[in-house]
Amino acid sequence: KNQVEQSPQSLIILEGKNCTLQCNYTVSPFSNLRWYKQDTGRGPVSLTIMTFSENTKSNGRYTATLDADTKQSSLHITASQLSDSASYICVVSDRGSTLGRLYFGRGTQLTVWP
Amino acid sequence: EADIYQTPRYLVIGTGKKITLECSQTMGHDKMYWYQQDPGMELHLIHYSYGVNSTEKGDLSSESTVSRIRTEHFPLTLESARPSHTSQYLCASSEGTGPDNEQFFGPGTRLTVL
Repeated sequence: KNQVEQSPQSLIILEGKNCTLQCNYTVSPFSNLRWYKQDTGRGPVSLTIMTFSENTKSNGRYTATLDADTKQSSLHITASQLSDSASYICVVSDRGSTLGRLYFGRGTQLTVWP
Repeated sequence: EADIYQTPRYLVIGTGKKITLECSQTMGHDKMYWYQQDPGMELHLIHYSYGVNSTEKGDLSSESTVSRIRTEHFPLTLESARPSHTSQYLCASSEGTGPDNEQFFGPGTRLTVL
C-alpha cells in the first residue's frame, strides 16, 4: 500500500534555531517527492521537488534530502523565523500514474516561538 | 504565487442546504482537482478533471458533484449538506499530465454544516 509517514507530528522551536522534519514513504514506482508549506487557512505551496537521482536540494533556508534506497526524505530549516510557523507536508508522486497521482503525508505542524 | 481562487473562504450553513464551492484559475491549466482535508489529516482527492467536459471521482468517496464547462472554472456542489461534510476543501490545478507537473493550490474553503 502506498503511504507517506511524517514525523514528528508537531514541533516547537525557538526563533533562530534549526530543525529537521522527516518523511518515510512506500510509494512505488517512485517519481518525485515534494515538500509543501501550508500556512494556517491557506493552500499548500511547493518548497522543493526531488527526483530519484537527486540527493539534496536547497531553497533559501530550506534544504531537502532524499535517500531513494531507504525511501526517506528530510527537510532541514536553518535559522528559523516566526513566519516558518506552518504545516510542512511531504508529497510523493508515483511514476505509474498518468494522472500525476499524489500521496500526502499528514504534515508536521511547526511552531516557532520568539 | 499561483493564480487560483476559491470562494467563499468560509461558509457556515444549516443541514439540508444546497451549496456550491467555486474554484477558478487563470493559468490555463487543463487539469484541476478537488481535495478534502480534515485537521491534522492528509489531503484526500475527491474529484479531478483532465479538461473541459471531463470529470472523474477520486479516491475518497464523496457525495459532492463537479462540473467543468470552462477550462478555468471547476465548481463543486453539495445538493444537501450534512454535518459530516464539515471540512476544508482545497482546489488545485496543474499544467499537464504526468507526475512531474506541480499542482498549484487555492486558499481553500472551510465549510461548517450545523
